Amino acid sequence: EDQVTQSPEALRLQEGESSSLNCSYTVSGLRGLFWYRQDPGKGPEFLFTLYSAGEEKEKERLKATLTKKESFLHITAPKPEDSATYLCAVAYSGAGSYQLTFGKGTKLSVIP
Amino acid sequence: DSGVTQTPKHLITATGQRVTLRCSPRSGDLSVYWYQQSLDQGLQFLIQYYNGEERAKGNILERFSAQQFPDLHSELNLSSLELGDSALYFCASSERDGGYGYTFGSGTRLTVV
Repeated sequence: EDQVTQSPEALRLQEGESSSLNCSYTVSGLRGLFWYRQDPGKGPEFLFTLYSAGEEKEKERLKATLTKKESFLHITAPKPEDSATYLCAVAYSGAGSYQLTFGKGTKLSVIP
Repeated sequence: DSGVTQTPKHLITATGQRVTLRCSPRSGDLSVYWYQQSLDQGLQFLIQYYNGEERAKGNILERFSAQQFPDLHSELNLSSLELGDSALYFCASSERDGGYGYTFGSGTRLTVV
């Protein structure tokens, strides 16, 4: 049973067309929720950490929010360089040490 | 460049063989984590080391083993390779014993034929 589910699997946007990516989780004892960006052939690049429901973080055109069951990554007026796979991960008290449990990602394509 | 160095970048080997993947963490980082990324499973935690000692194990097969050396570099050994072991293997490092502020390397792409 998936503990972290991301939707949609893939998303195509026109440049400037804002949208949101979803990450839902079913773990209990959440210690933190993390967003990463991954470009083809590269390792994940850290974007945000959210620790409690209601928390929000922003970076350039990206804004991450957290509720008790899900997180959203809002992308405002995206540019082609925002094209990447966005990964969500959780750390929770039932897992060992400091491992992260990742979702399968949303592949975002921004068309000029 | 993230500061985490993984070698080799690509590896092609036959079933039944053994390979070693190498990771040098960022300068000053004492923790090393290994993750496997396959198309159908996503990123899966394998194992964590801190300052030479094993700290946590995840979904690591018995055919796989790892170690961290006194100079803090780490090696992931994969043996009796199967076609299903084909994946990207990532190493990440962090300064402390755990914490979630990982920095990932660029990975090693393993293809088993």
